Amino acid sequence: GQQVMQIPQYQHVQEGEDFTTYCNSSTTLSNIQWYKQRPGGHPVFLIQLVKSGEVKKQKRLTFQFGEAKKNSSLHITATQTTDVGTYFCAGPPYYGGATNKLIFGTGTLLAVQP
Amino acid sequence: NAGVTQTPKFQVLKTGQSMTLQCAQDMNHEYMSWYRQDPGMGLRLIHYSVGAGITDQGEVPNGYNVSRSTTEDFPLRLLSAAPSQTSVYFCASSPKGQGFVRAFGNGTRLTVT
Repeated sequence: GQQVMQIPQYQHVQEGEDFTTYCNSSTTLSNIQWYKQRPGGHPVFLIQLVKSGEVKKQKRLTFQFGEAKKNSSLHITATQTTDVGTYFCAGPPYYGGATNKLIFGTGTLLAVQP
Repeated sequence: NAGVTQTPKFQVLKTGQSMTLQCAQDMNHEYMSWYRQDPGMGLRLIHYSVGAGITDQGEVPNGYNVSRSTTEDFPLRLLSAAPSQTSVYFCASSPKGQGFVRAFGNGTRLTVT
């Protein structure tokens, strides 16, 4: 079946350092979505990218969707302690099925040391 | 708006017992879904619904039943609990056509012994 892998599984950074997580799907995705889950909490939607090669920014966060619509990345510039949490990518497969039938990536846990 | 409300927050079951995880949303969202979250595996879709009276299977539907008699409610039934169903369960909802999850519930932590 379809798989969405994220690397790294875990990243520990000093506050102020940059951070990047990569998302790779075994199949083409209709779109890519990113979610953040704080420890002990529930996932929260961050952003959705739809077009091949699309790049979007939210303050210190930069999101990219690959040309082949099979991979994506999230880059955080100058991390802060509020960035702590697990970041998940997700997307519906590009076969015309229900767009809400999401496949989630394995997640990257970010720890930020003050 | 309360958003997506899940009950209970914690539950311990013995193997073979059955139970229902409740989920209700007050945002009039058409789409609702259930996910389970296990360490290192992200969230996996169990069942989803695109509207009242319509449900479909996700990635890991075995051992679970759902129904959607109203727009607001989407209960998840465990028919005969197994230790492999120990997990954190999240209910989610979205408006029709949005394509991403607008709101998650706070989760139910289920342990099956």
